[in-house]
Amino acid sequence: DQQVKQNSPSLSVQEGRISILNCDYTNSMFDYFLWYKKYPAEGPTFLISISSIKDKNEDGRFTVFLNKSAKHLSLHIVPSQPGDSAVYFCAASEANAGKSTFGDGTTLTVKP
Amino acid sequence: NAGVTQTPKFRVLKTGQSMTLLCAQDMNHEYMYWYRQDPGMGLRLIHYSVGEGTTAKGEVPDGYNVSRLKKQNFLLGLESAAPSQTSVYFCASRTGWDTGELFFGEGSRLTVL
Repeated sequence: DQQVKQNSPSLSVQEGRISILNCDYTNSMFDYFLWYKKYPAEGPTFLISISSIKDKNEDGRFTVFLNKSAKHLSLHIVPSQPGDSAVYFCAASEANAGKSTFGDGTTLTVKP
Repeated sequence: NAGVTQTPKFRVLKTGQSMTLLCAQDMNHEYMYWYRQDPGMGLRLIHYSVGEGTTAKGEVPDGYNVSRLKKQNFLLGLESAAPSQTSVYFCASRTGWDTGELFFGEGSRLTVL
């Protein structure tokens, strides 16, 4: 039973356009959500996060939206750049659980 | 600023051999984690530790053991390696806050023949 799902294994967008990466979760106890970015042969690095008490968090070109009723979050990248090409993982945490659950990742390719 | 360091980076084992992966962090983090990543899959939690001297099982603990004798180190052991344990292993750490971001090492690629 996968609690965090990223249903799109890959996404391709043109440079300068918007990239939208989606993530769904099933555990209603999750109350903190994070996005990580991973380049080949490197470890994942933190990108942006959102608490369940918010519905939007913005950091430069990156915005995360949370829809608690739908158990859905999305990451928007505007404008997309070729350097954004990477695998993006969605992760969810439950307070006092001490651990995060990851989705399978979405490979984003931004074409020049 | 080393952050999270994993050794070794690469290792090839024969079925039945044993080995230990070492993770060291210099950020004074309380929580440490071992994940594995297989092709097309996300990061699956093997074991984790919420403090020195403590360990707990994650999603896929079978075939692995861990120890956290010092706060800065988290060891992952394979007592009898199997081909199914061929994977990339990532260590991560974070502060004591449950909602804090994870800091990952660069990964250790293990192949079991």
